[in-house]
Amino acid sequence: DGGITQSPKYLFRKEGQNVTLSCEQNLNHDAMYWYRQDPGQGLRLIYYSQIVNDFQKGDIAEGYSVSREKKESFPLTVTSAQKNPTAFYLCASSPATRGELFFGEGSRLTVL
Amino acid sequence: AQSVSQHNHHVILSEAASLELGCNYSYGGTVNLFWYVQYPGQHLQLLLKYFSGDPLVKGIKGFEAEFIKSKFSFNLRKPSVQWSDTAEYFCAVNAGSGGYNKLIFGAGTRLAVHP
Repeated sequence: DGGITQSPKYLFRKEGQNVTLSCEQNLNHDAMYWYRQDPGQGLRLIYYSQIVNDFQKGDIAEGYSVSREKKESFPLTVTSAQKNPTAFYLCASSPATRGELFFGEGSRLTVL
Repeated sequence: AQSVSQHNHHVILSEAASLELGCNYSYGGTVNLFWYVQYPGQHLQLLLKYFSGDPLVKGIKGFEAEFIKSKFSFNLRKPSVQWSDTAEYFCAVNAGSGGYNKLIFGAGTRLAVHP
């Protein structure tokens, strides 16, 4: 089945540790995205990538980093510089410019 | 900066009541508009989308939305809600430029439908 796989679904980490969230898609989409979802704030864009080896900062990129070495993969690292990392993280992809996004099931990160 | 406003954060309805969720955006260019839904414990999925043409668009599960360009609005409607419509609803606008596809989301509206 085609889709977007995020892992892990739940993750607990101590303050000061970097964490990498995985996102893989087999939809052959060019564009991939990372959003953060907090209650009452909707989804906020962290990073997006239109093609391999290229990515752009979204609205809340500080404290996060990404890479796009393969079309299928767009991992997100939550660094120790992110002041409030506890959140629900959503990965998405889209087939073209100005098209709809397809979402993964999300990863919930809790920093203790 | 582009933004999307959803007027109601929480809506409570009884089954068979009519639903209208407001969405306004601020973006002066050509827009693509979307409504997504997130059922409890499930991933976000597309309800409907507007790219061009007829400003009244129909989506899945009996939902529809009307694009009113002069009002920068894209309100979601359903004539008669069901308990299974309990979910969080997000309006989004594509504000990308230079060929980039970039969706900006509203804060969401939590809908609770009581039997």
